[in-house]
Amino acid sequence: DVKVTQSSRYLVKRTGEKVFLECVQDMDHENMFWYRQDPGLGLRLIYFSYDVKMKEKGDIPEGYSVSREKKERFSLILESASTNQTSMYLCASSETGVAKNIQYFGAGTRLSVL
Amino acid sequence: AQKITQTQPGMFVQEKEAVTLDCTYDTSDPSYGLFWYKQPSSGEMIFLIYQGSYDQQNATEGRYSLNFQKARKSANLVISASQLGDSAMYFCAMRVGETSGSRLTFGEGTQLTVNP
Repeated sequence: DVKVTQSSRYLVKRTGEKVFLECVQDMDHENMFWYRQDPGLGLRLIYFSYDVKMKEKGDIPEGYSVSREKKERFSLILESASTNQTSMYLCASSETGVAKNIQYFGAGTRLSVL
Repeated sequence: AQKITQTQPGMFVQEKEAVTLDCTYDTSDPSYGLFWYKQPSSGEMIFLIYQGSYDQQNATEGRYSLNFQKARKSANLVISASQLGDSAMYFCAMRVGETSGSRLTFGEGTQLTVNP
């Protein structure tokens, strides 16, 4: 089974802190994604990566950056956390070269910025 | 631009009955894929079912089936014989194009409650 692991289920941070959200997948998937989920808005794509050291902006990249130094790990970085970044963050991965291209998700990280 | 619309913020169904969750989509690309995910209160998104735009038959996976009406641009999820464990948030999503790794666009979600 595909396993996508997010390092924290719950995080509480202060405004202005630098925050790292970590995601690891164990299926050798090329593609990895970071979403944020807010009530009534569904999931919105922040950043994604098709390969190591490659990244592409999604719909809402402002205030975020990402890092993919190894194939299995994709990190989301909040350079200076703000209260409007309080949200649920979901990481996903998928493989290249298959028709369905299903994205598999981690359990999510609920981040509160105070 | 691609768009997914789920017009039912909340739905209620009695245990053992069938329920249909609505999803409409908008894209001008002839090649696309439609997905349904389930999100229980625990938070993890669980893949349920997939329909490709060129698939001739409606997709089915156990108690889940996808009512795909291409001309109407709808991809409704039908859950038969509802169970209490089906209570969750359900998301419809679309991938446009044939490029593997393409991003998904999600709808707003429908909260399903199954009553005993």
